[in-house]
Amino acid sequence: EVQLVESGGDLVQPGGSLRLSCAASGFTFSSSWMGWVRQAPGKGLEWVANINQDGTEKHHMESLKGRFTISRDNARNTLYLQMNSLRGEDTGLYYCARHGYNNFDSWGRGTLVTVSS
Amino acid sequence: DIVVTQSPLSLPVTPGEPASISCRSSQSLLHSNGYNFLDWYLQKPGQPPQLLIYLGSTRASGVPDRFSGSGSGTDFTLEISRVEAEDVGVYYCLQALQHPWAFGQGTRVDIK
Repeated sequence: EVQLVESGGDLVQPGGSLRLSCAASGFTFSSSWMGWVRQAPGKGLEWVANINQDGTEKHHMESLKGRFTISRDNARNTLYLQMNSLRGEDTGLYYCARHGYNNFDSWGRGTLVTVSS
Repeated sequence: DIVVTQSPLSLPVTPGEPASISCRSSQSLLHSNGYNFLDWYLQKPGQPPQLLIYLGSTRASGVPDRFSGSGSGTDFTLEISRVEAEDVGVYYCLQALQHPWAFGQGTRVDIK
Protein backbone atom coordinates (compact mmCIF):
# COMPACT_ATOMS: atom_id res chain seq x y z
CA GLU A 1 0.00 0.00 0.00
CA VAL A 2 1.32 3.42 -0.98
CA GLN A 3 1.89 5.64 2.04
CA LEU A 4 2.97 9.26 2.05
CA VAL A 5 3.45 10.93 5.41
CA GLU A 6 4.24 14.62 5.57
CA SER A 7 5.90 16.33 8.52
CA GLY A 8 7.67 19.55 9.39
CA GLY A 9 4.73 21.93 9.38
CA ASP A 10 4.75 24.48 12.19
CA LEU A 11 3.92 28.01 13.28
CA VAL A 12 6.63 30.31 11.96
CA GLN A 13 7.10 34.05 11.88
CA PRO A 14 7.05 35.99 8.62
CA GLY A 15 10.47 35.84 7.04
CA GLY A 16 11.24 32.51 8.66
CA SER A 17 12.08 29.15 7.09
CA LEU A 18 10.75 25.60 7.26
CA ARG A 19 11.67 22.32 5.64
CA LEU A 20 8.82 19.95 4.98
CA SER A 21 9.46 16.22 4.62
CA CYS A 22 7.42 13.46 3.05
CA ALA A 23 8.27 9.87 3.97
CA ALA A 24 7.26 7.44 1.23
CA SER A 25 6.66 3.71 1.47
CA GLY A 26 4.84 0.93 -0.33
CA PHE A 27 6.27 1.66 -3.77
CA THR A 28 9.60 2.21 -5.50
CA PHE A 29 10.19 5.83 -4.57
CA SER A 30 13.21 6.25 -6.84
CA SER A 31 11.07 5.38 -9.89
CA SER A 32 8.40 8.03 -9.33
CA TRP A 33 8.04 11.69 -10.08
CA MET A 34 6.79 13.46 -6.96
CA GLY A 35 5.16 16.77 -6.19
CA TRP A 36 3.83 19.22 -3.60
CA VAL A 37 0.37 20.81 -3.62
CA ARG A 38 -0.88 23.32 -1.08
CA GLN A 39 -4.26 24.54 0.11
CA ALA A 40 -4.82 27.78 1.97
CA PRO A 41 -7.55 27.65 4.64
CA GLY A 42 -10.95 27.42 2.98
CA LYS A 43 -9.42 27.77 -0.50
CA GLY A 44 -8.70 25.56 -3.49
CA LEU A 45 -5.74 23.42 -4.45
CA GLU A 46 -2.57 25.07 -5.72
CA TRP A 47 0.24 23.20 -7.45
CA VAL A 48 3.61 24.06 -5.88
CA ALA A 49 6.39 21.93 -7.41
CA ASN A 50 7.33 18.68 -9.17
CA ILE A 51 10.58 16.73 -9.25
CA ASN A 52 11.70 13.85 -11.45
CA GLN A 53 12.96 10.48 -10.34
CA ASP A 54 16.62 11.36 -9.75
CA GLY A 55 16.13 15.00 -8.80
CA THR A 56 17.74 16.43 -11.91
CA GLU A 57 14.55 18.06 -13.22
CA LYS A 58 12.56 20.40 -10.99
CA HIS A 59 9.63 22.68 -11.66
CA HIS A 60 8.26 25.27 -9.27
CA MET A 61 5.32 27.62 -9.29
CA GLU A 62 6.69 30.81 -10.82
CA SER A 63 5.74 33.07 -7.93
CA LEU A 64 7.58 30.79 -5.49
CA LYS A 65 10.84 30.55 -7.38
CA GLY A 66 13.75 31.66 -5.26
CA ARG A 67 11.89 31.02 -2.02
CA PHE A 68 10.74 27.37 -2.27
CA THR A 69 12.88 24.44 -3.43
CA ILE A 70 11.81 20.85 -3.96
CA SER A 71 14.35 18.06 -3.47
CA ARG A 72 14.52 14.36 -2.68
CA ASP A 73 16.70 11.73 -1.08
CA ASN A 74 16.10 8.40 -2.77
CA ALA A 75 18.27 6.57 -0.24
CA ARG A 76 15.89 7.73 2.50
CA ASN A 77 12.69 7.50 0.39
CA THR A 78 11.97 11.08 1.36
CA LEU A 79 10.74 14.15 -0.50
CA TYR A 80 11.46 17.64 0.79
CA LEU A 81 10.23 21.19 0.36
CA GLN A 82 12.55 23.92 1.63
CA MET A 83 10.58 27.10 2.24
CA ASN A 84 12.39 30.38 2.91
CA SER A 85 11.25 33.98 3.41
CA LEU A 86 7.81 32.75 4.42
CA ARG A 87 4.83 35.07 4.11
CA GLY A 88 1.31 35.04 5.49
CA GLU A 89 -0.05 33.89 2.15
CA ASP A 90 2.05 30.72 2.42
CA THR A 91 -0.18 29.57 5.28
CA GLY A 92 -1.97 26.35 4.50
CA LEU A 93 -1.97 22.58 4.32
CA TYR A 94 0.87 21.18 2.23
CA TYR A 95 0.30 17.84 0.53
CA CYS A 96 2.92 15.50 -0.85
CA ALA A 97 1.75 13.49 -3.87
CA ARG A 98 3.06 10.76 -6.13
CA HIS A 99 2.83 11.05 -9.87
CA GLY A 100 1.04 8.50 -11.96
CA TYR A 101 0.87 9.21 -15.68
CA ASN A 102 0.95 13.02 -15.53
CA ASN A 103 -1.40 13.00 -12.57
CA PHE A 104 -1.24 12.75 -8.79
CA ASP A 105 -2.37 9.21 -8.05
CA SER A 106 -1.57 9.08 -4.34
CA TRP A 107 -1.65 11.80 -1.71
CA GLY A 108 -0.53 12.22 1.88
CA ARG A 109 -2.78 13.75 4.52
CA GLY A 110 -0.82 16.99 4.58
CA THR A 111 1.17 19.06 7.07
CA LEU A 112 0.01 22.46 8.29
CA VAL A 113 2.16 25.55 7.87
CA THR A 114 1.10 28.70 9.68
CA VAL A 115 2.96 31.94 9.04
CA SER A 116 2.09 34.52 11.64
CA SER A 117 3.70 36.84 14.14
CA ASP B 1 0.87 29.67 -18.66
CA ILE B 2 -2.22 27.50 -19.12
CA VAL B 3 -5.25 28.53 -17.10
CA VAL B 4 -8.16 26.18 -16.42
CA THR B 5 -11.61 27.47 -15.54
CA GLN B 6 -14.36 25.38 -13.97
CA SER B 7 -18.08 25.90 -13.95
CA PRO B 8 -20.26 26.00 -12.06
CA LEU B 9 -18.46 26.80 -8.82
CA SER B 10 -21.35 25.45 -6.77
CA LEU B 11 -23.64 22.60 -7.70
CA PRO B 12 -26.54 21.46 -5.50
CA VAL B 13 -27.57 17.95 -6.54
CA THR B 14 -30.40 15.53 -5.88
CA PRO B 15 -29.43 11.92 -5.09
CA GLY B 16 -30.15 9.67 -8.03
CA GLU B 17 -29.99 12.54 -10.51
CA PRO B 18 -27.14 13.23 -12.95
CA ALA B 19 -24.60 16.02 -12.49
CA SER B 20 -22.08 17.65 -14.79
CA ILE B 21 -19.03 19.89 -14.27
CA SER B 22 -17.18 21.75 -17.01
CA CYS B 23 -13.48 22.56 -17.24
CA ARG B 24 -12.13 24.84 -19.94
CA SER B 25 -8.48 25.38 -20.69
CA SER B 26 -6.85 28.49 -22.15
CA GLN B 27 -4.79 26.24 -24.46
CA SER B 28 -5.27 22.81 -25.92
CA LEU B 29 -4.36 19.98 -23.54
CA LEU B 30 -3.99 17.50 -26.38
CA HIS B 31 -0.50 16.02 -26.39
CA SER B 32 1.20 14.86 -29.58
CA ASN B 33 0.71 11.29 -28.31
CA GLY B 34 -3.02 11.70 -28.71
CA TYR B 35 -3.87 11.94 -25.02
CA ASN B 36 -5.41 14.91 -23.24
CA PHE B 37 -3.49 15.77 -20.09
CA LEU B 38 -6.49 16.73 -17.98
CA ASP B 39 -7.33 15.07 -14.66
CA TRP B 40 -10.26 15.25 -12.28
CA TYR B 41 -9.99 15.02 -8.49
CA LEU B 42 -12.51 14.88 -5.67
CA GLN B 43 -11.73 16.27 -2.24
CA LYS B 44 -14.23 14.98 0.29
CA PRO B 45 -14.66 16.97 3.52
CA GLY B 46 -11.64 16.64 5.79
CA GLN B 47 -9.74 14.42 3.36
CA PRO B 48 -6.90 14.83 0.87
CA PRO B 49 -7.88 14.90 -2.81
CA GLN B 50 -8.31 11.62 -4.66
CA LEU B 51 -7.76 10.98 -8.35
CA LEU B 52 -10.98 10.22 -10.22
CA ILE B 53 -10.17 10.58 -13.92
CA TYR B 54 -6.88 11.00 -15.79
CA LEU B 55 -5.98 11.58 -19.42
CA GLY B 56 -9.36 13.22 -19.81
CA SER B 57 -11.44 10.07 -19.71
CA THR B 58 -9.71 7.17 -17.92
CA ARG B 59 -11.17 6.23 -14.55
CA ALA B 60 -8.62 5.71 -11.81
CA SER B 61 -8.48 2.40 -10.00
CA GLY B 62 -11.47 1.82 -7.74
CA VAL B 63 -13.51 4.74 -9.05
CA PRO B 64 -17.19 3.80 -9.56
CA ASP B 65 -18.38 3.70 -13.15
CA ARG B 66 -21.00 6.35 -12.46
CA PHE B 67 -18.11 8.82 -12.93
CA SER B 68 -17.05 9.57 -16.49
CA GLY B 69 -14.82 12.12 -18.15
CA SER B 70 -15.06 13.41 -21.70
CA GLY B 71 -13.78 16.13 -23.96
CA SER B 72 -10.69 17.04 -25.90
CA GLY B 73 -8.52 20.05 -26.59
CA THR B 74 -9.85 22.86 -24.44
CA ASP B 75 -13.28 21.65 -23.29
CA PHE B 76 -13.78 18.87 -20.78
CA THR B 77 -16.66 17.52 -18.73
CA LEU B 78 -16.96 15.36 -15.64
CA GLU B 79 -20.30 13.60 -15.40
CA ILE B 80 -21.86 11.67 -12.56
CA SER B 81 -24.64 9.51 -13.94
CA ARG B 82 -26.52 9.14 -10.66
CA VAL B 83 -25.28 11.15 -7.72
CA GLU B 84 -24.93 9.42 -4.39
CA ALA B 85 -24.64 11.06 -0.97
CA GLU B 86 -20.97 10.02 -0.73
CA ASP B 87 -20.14 12.11 -3.83
CA VAL B 88 -20.33 15.41 -1.97
CA GLY B 89 -17.17 17.46 -1.84
CA VAL B 90 -15.13 19.74 -4.06
CA TYR B 91 -14.18 18.62 -7.55
CA TYR B 92 -11.07 19.97 -9.26
CA CYS B 93 -9.67 19.65 -12.73
CA LEU B 94 -5.90 19.79 -13.27
CA GLN B 95 -3.99 20.51 -16.43
CA ALA B 96 -0.82 18.42 -16.48
CA LEU B 97 0.31 19.04 -20.05
CA GLN B 98 2.99 21.56 -19.30
CA HIS B 99 4.57 23.30 -16.33
CA PRO B 100 3.33 25.15 -14.40
CA TRP B 101 0.56 22.66 -13.73
CA ALA B 102 -2.69 24.35 -12.78
CA PHE B 103 -5.85 23.38 -10.91
CA GLY B 104 -9.26 24.81 -11.64
CA GLN B 105 -10.97 26.83 -8.90
CA GLY B 106 -13.00 23.87 -7.72
CA THR B 107 -16.71 23.01 -7.88
CA ARG B 108 -18.48 22.41 -4.58
CA VAL B 109 -21.09 19.66 -4.89
CA ASP B 110 -23.61 19.22 -2.10
CA ILE B 111 -26.99 17.63 -1.62
CA LYS B 112 -30.07 19.80 -2.12
